[in-house]
Amino acid sequence: NAGVTQTPKFRVLKTGQSMTLLCAQDMNHEYMYWYRQDPGMGLRLIHYSVGEGTTAKGEVPDGYNVSRLKKQNFLLGLESAAPSQTSVYFCASSTGTKAFFGQGTRLTVV
Amino acid sequence: DQQVKQNSPSLSVQEGRISILNCDYTNSMFDYFLWYKKYPAEGPTFLISISSIKDKNEDGRFTVFLNKSAKHLSLHIVPSQPGDSAVYFCAASNQGAQKLVFGQGTRLTINP
Repeated sequence: NAGVTQTPKFRVLKTGQSMTLLCAQDMNHEYMYWYRQDPGMGLRLIHYSVGEGTTAKGEVPDGYNVSRLKKQNFLLGLESAAPSQTSVYFCASSTGTKAFFGQGTRLTVV
Repeated sequence: DQQVKQNSPSLSVQEGRISILNCDYTNSMFDYFLWYKKYPAEGPTFLISISSIKDKNEDGRFTVFLNKSAKHLSLHIVPSQPGDSAVYFCAASNQGAQKLVFGQGTRLTINP
């Protein structure tokens, strides 16, 4: 039972580079989320999706884009990475109440 | 605007004693509250939840209390065990909005 799987687990980017983080869930959940965790800030919502083909902005959406072309996948893109985007990124999926999280992606932008 | 606040960044408790973690919220539309536990290098895992129609929910050593008038909830762990050492996040949602809003987290350390 894989649950929520994030790839990659670690990545180092140079400022200005682009990348996509992939999140896959096998629980047939409608809702999926991308959070970032920074020291002293808790988990802040970047973008979320309430179903296939839909996306919405969270608390800190600037500099990120997302797509939900398939129900099981939620992609987070950084078009032009900045050092301020150095963080640990968590994907989650939910039935609408309890959310299940992936193991995280540690991204460093130098 | 921090809608969910955990004002204690850290808490240290002796093994066997009670751990009490606190959380305050400002949005009166929140109607569902959760606690998550996070170990280093892992994703948060669900611990316990409570609906706004209740004021207490218990699961083994873990009990969550909700005081709606004070917009305050707390997590009690008794007795505390070394394996409880982790970061605990409080979260809240308005089920109609389907978003979970998290607090900053409290690092709990259980000392032998």
